[in-house]
Amino acid sequence: DGGITQSPKYLFRKEGQNVTLSCEQNLNHDAMYWYRQDPGQGLRLIYYSQIVNDFQKGDIAEGYSVSREKKESFPLTVTSAQKNPTAFYLCASSTGGGRQETQYFGPGTRLLVL
Amino acid sequence: GDSVTQMEGPVTLSEEAFLTINCTYTATGYPSLFWYVQYPGEGLQLLLKATKADDKGSNKGFEATYRKETTSFHLEKGSVQVSDSAVYFCALSVTTGNQFYFGTGTSLTVIP
Repeated sequence: DGGITQSPKYLFRKEGQNVTLSCEQNLNHDAMYWYRQDPGQGLRLIYYSQIVNDFQKGDIAEGYSVSREKKESFPLTVTSAQKNPTAFYLCASSTGGGRQETQYFGPGTRLLVL
Repeated sequence: GDSVTQMEGPVTLSEEAFLTINCTYTATGYPSLFWYVQYPGEGLQLLLKATKADDKGSNKGFEATYRKETTSFHLEKGSVQVSDSAVYFCALSVTTGNQFYFGTGTSLTVIP
């Protein structure tokens, strides 16, 4: 079955530590996205990538970094510069063909700070 | 800029009641409109979508009509079930980079 996988389901970060969230898709989608969801709030875009080896900052990119070395993979690193990282992180993908295209979401990773 | 405004929750309904969740939008050009549903601890699932004015999206008894004149995309269901309890997000997509703009979500609880 095609879909998006995110791992781990829960992740704990210590002060000053960088952590990386995994996102893999086998939908053959060109575009991938990372969102942050806080309680009672909508989704906010962190980074997105429309093609391999290229990505753009979203609305809240500070304290985060990404790479897109393979079409299937779009890992997100939460750096120590992100002072309030506790949130639910969602990865999504789409064909990238334009405004009519649906974004498909993974199951999410919940990041907690120790 | 582009944005979505959703009816605030939480919403609590009895089983078999009628559901309306309001959504209005602001956008340049001609966006596509979406409703997503999120069950506890999970990612978002597409519920329905509409890509042009007067289109009606429908799925699992839910419906929403793209109204350009009122810039709205209200979600409706004639008879809700306990299994419909979830958070519902309205979203729009514009042409640039297929970026989505999400509403803040409306939590629905259906009681037996």
